[in-house]
Amino acid sequence: EPEVTQTPSHQVTQMGQEVILRCVPISNHLYFYWYRQILGQKVEFLVSFYNNEISEKSEIFDDQFSVERPDGSNFTLKIRSTKLEDSAMYFCASSELGARAKAFFGQGTRLTVV
Amino acid sequence: SQQGEEDPQALSIQEGENATMNCSYKTSINNLQWYRQNSGRGLVHLILIRSNEREKHSGRLRVTLDTSKKSSSLLITASRAADTASYFCATDNEAAGNKLTFGGGTRVLVKP
Repeated sequence: EPEVTQTPSHQVTQMGQEVILRCVPISNHLYFYWYRQILGQKVEFLVSFYNNEISEKSEIFDDQFSVERPDGSNFTLKIRSTKLEDSAMYFCASSELGARAKAFFGQGTRLTVV
Repeated sequence: SQQGEEDPQALSIQEGENATMNCSYKTSINNLQWYRQNSGRGLVHLILIRSNEREKHSGRLRVTLDTSKKSSSLLITASRAADTASYFCATDNEAAGNKLTFGGGTRVLVKP
């Protein structure tokens, strides 16, 4: 089965630094997402991306965050000036038909802000 | 409002037994999906049930949906140790737009 790949699998960063989390969605999918999961908590929606622009974003997704699809394959999440509370698992997902269809999730990037 | 709350929060059963977990939600939905997450790993899609469907099967999984009660259940029959994981329901609805809203999950431990 096709898969979504994420790199790195684990990132440790100093508070205040910028991080870029990378994802390669499934090639024929049109909808891309970032979700995060703080340890032991529920999976939270951050942002959805369709047709080369953000289609929705949550309250969490403030000016500290940005997404980009720099080429035809990669989809990145940039977190500027990281805070301790940004420590979480970040999951990229893609879907052929949006939220009404099965989403394929990557294995996640565990971000630790120290 | 919160959408998608599972119960129980944790479930421990013996191999071979059935595991049942429930999900309740507050607003009307288009679809409800169930995902599995092994510890520290990504989410794996299990099954999607549409709002006009009442029951769906996939292998050892059986999902029901009761839109009048705004609830769904996931039944895993003849559980195996490999079924040990967290299980999440996720909903999408018109108001929420193009995103999934996840519940808090049920942690299932299947003892060999």
